[in-house]
Order: sequence, then C-alpha cells, then structure tokens
Amino acid sequence: EAQVTQNPRYLITVTGKKLTVTCSQNMNHEYMSWYRQDPGLGLRQIYYSMNVEVTDKGDVPEGYKVSRKEKRNFPLILESPSPNQTSLYFCASSPLPGRNEQYFGPGTRLTVT
Amino acid sequence: AQSVTQLDSQVPVFEEAPVELRCNYSSSVSVYLFWYVQYPNQGLQLLLKYLSGSTLVKGINGFEAEFNKSQTSFHLRKPSVHISDTAEYFCAVSPPYNQGGKLIFGQGTELSVKP
Repeated sequence: EAQVTQNPRYLITVTGKKLTVTCSQNMNHEYMSWYRQDPGLGLRQIYYSMNVEVTDKGDVPEGYKVSRKEKRNFPLILESPSPNQTSLYFCASSPLPGRNEQYFGPGTRLTVT
Repeated sequence: AQSVTQLDSQVPVFEEAPVELRCNYSSSVSVYLFWYVQYPNQGLQLLLKYLSGSTLVKGINGFEAEFNKSQTSFHLRKPSVHISDTAEYFCAVSPPYNQGGKLIFGQGTELSVKP
C-alpha cells in the first residue's frame, strides 16, 4: 500500500530534550516536506526536500533541523524543544511539487512541557 | 505572495442537506487550487484539484468545486451530506514553479454533520 508513515504518533517531552520524528514514504517520491498544524493557522511548511541531500527552509524553520540521506526518509529533528513547538506535525511527499497531489502521513502530536 | 482565506471556521449542517464551504485566495500569479479533507486523527487526503480548463471540478465522495477567477474563489460544495463527511476541510493554493513546492493553506473549516 502506498503510504507515508510517521513515528511516533504521540509524544510528550520536556523542554530541551532532543527528539526526532521519523517520516518514511514507499512511493519513490522525489519531494518531501514537513508541516506543522496549529488551530486557526492551518498548516505551515517547516522544511522541504527536492531530492536526496537537497533540503531548504520553509516558512517556519526556526528550532528545527532535517536531513535527507535516503530518498524514502526525511526525519524532523528538534535539538532543544520548547513549549511553542507543541503542535501537530505532518510529513508529506509528492512526485514533484506544484500541480501534483501531496500525500500526507497520519500526523505526530507533540507536546513540550 | 499568496494567501488563502476560508470564510467559515465551523459549519454545522443536518444530514442530507446541501453544504458550501467557502474559500477565497489572493495571488498576483495563476495558481493551482486544492481541497483537502482531514478526518479525525488522520492525515490530509486530496478531495479535488483545479489546474486549468473547466472551472467546475469534481472530486471524491460527491464533492465538487468551482473556480471563479474574477472573484478569486474556489468554493467547495456537496448537494447532500452524510454523517461520515464530518471532518475538517482545507483549501490550499500552489503557485506554478513555486520555490519550495509548498502548499499555502487556509485556516480550515470544521464541517459537522448532525443526524
């Protein structure tokens, strides 16, 4: 089944404790992206990747890192999480951005206390 | 820059009634337009998209949307809703050749279908 998977689905952590949210897709897509969803704000892009080893900042990159060492994986790293990073995070992938549908993972709900 | 405004944050409606979810966008260039649906505790999935051509676009689950260039709108409609349509709906735009490939989302509309 074609899908985007994320782990963990739920995470509660404390300020400053490094964490990684994994994202994997099995559709051989070139493009991958991370969004965060906050009430009343819709989804906003954090980082994106056009291909292996090619990543760039989206609209809200502060406090996040990413890497793309393999085509299928695109982990999101929070080196020192803060409470304002409490949010619902979605990974997405697409053959090419723009006119193509983006396929979304099930989401990771992160709470930073 | 582009922006998307969904005019209603919540839309309650009775089962089998028609519904319209409103979306306006702002852009100085042509854009691709999308509607995504998010069921509880799930990721987003595509309902329909407008790239070019006919302004009336049909999607999954009986939904359709009409692109109106003069009013910069892309409203989503369904003639008869079901309980299972209860979800959050997002309108999004994507400019052609946009750097970052990002979708620019509206704030979302919660559709609540009551029996």
